[in-house]
Amino acid sequence: NAGVTQTPKFQVLKTGQSMTLQCAQDMNHNSMYWYRQDPGMGLRLIYYSASEGTTDKGEVPNGYNVSRLNKREFSLRLESAAPSQTSVYFCASSEVKGRAGRTFGSGTRLTVV
Amino acid sequence: GENVEQHPSTLSVQEGDSAVIKCTYSDSASNYFPWYKQELGKGPQLIIDIRSNVGEKKDQRIAVTLNKTAKHFSLHITETQPEDSAVYFCAASSLGGGSNYKLTFGKGTLLTVNP
Repeated sequence: NAGVTQTPKFQVLKTGQSMTLQCAQDMNHNSMYWYRQDPGMGLRLIYYSASEGTTDKGEVPNGYNVSRLNKREFSLRLESAAPSQTSVYFCASSEVKGRAGRTFGSGTRLTVV
Repeated sequence: GENVEQHPSTLSVQEGDSAVIKCTYSDSASNYFPWYKQELGKGPQLIIDIRSNVGEKKDQRIAVTLNKTAKHFSLHITETQPEDSAVYFCAASSLGGGSNYKLTFGKGTLLTVNP
């Protein structure tokens, strides 16, 4: 099993450019999440999808959009990248009503210059 | 909302010693407390979790304790090995509607096990 797969692993963007981070899970999990990790800040929730067809804002949603394409895939889009969005982004999934442990992908390191 | 404080931010121990990482939480409704290990360049990996209906849980060299009255929980690693070196995160989840999905993380502890 691959678990949670994120692409790309690394990306450099110029301020104002757009991009989509892709995430797919093969564990048949209902819930999926996007987090960002910054030094000294832990992991902060950007958006989540409790189940296919639903999405909700997390702690730091500004500047991002998401799409739950199907049960397997959950993408994160930056419409106009800003240097403050330089971070490591993790996608995760979980099984039952969000209270089960998250399975994380290996991350996307994004730098906005 | 929930606030999770984690201490210490860095911890250095000798191989074979024990390591303890402590977390406190603010929301008395939280009932799920996982711990994650993050190795360099990788995503966090769930290593153990505890629910509020138990006070302690063990898995080989790892144990977690929970004190609901004091709103704190701790990770204990015994007989540490160099491969235990990583960043460890605690987290807590609140109840109620969509907040089930909002797992709040501590800021992490960098554990270094010296051979």
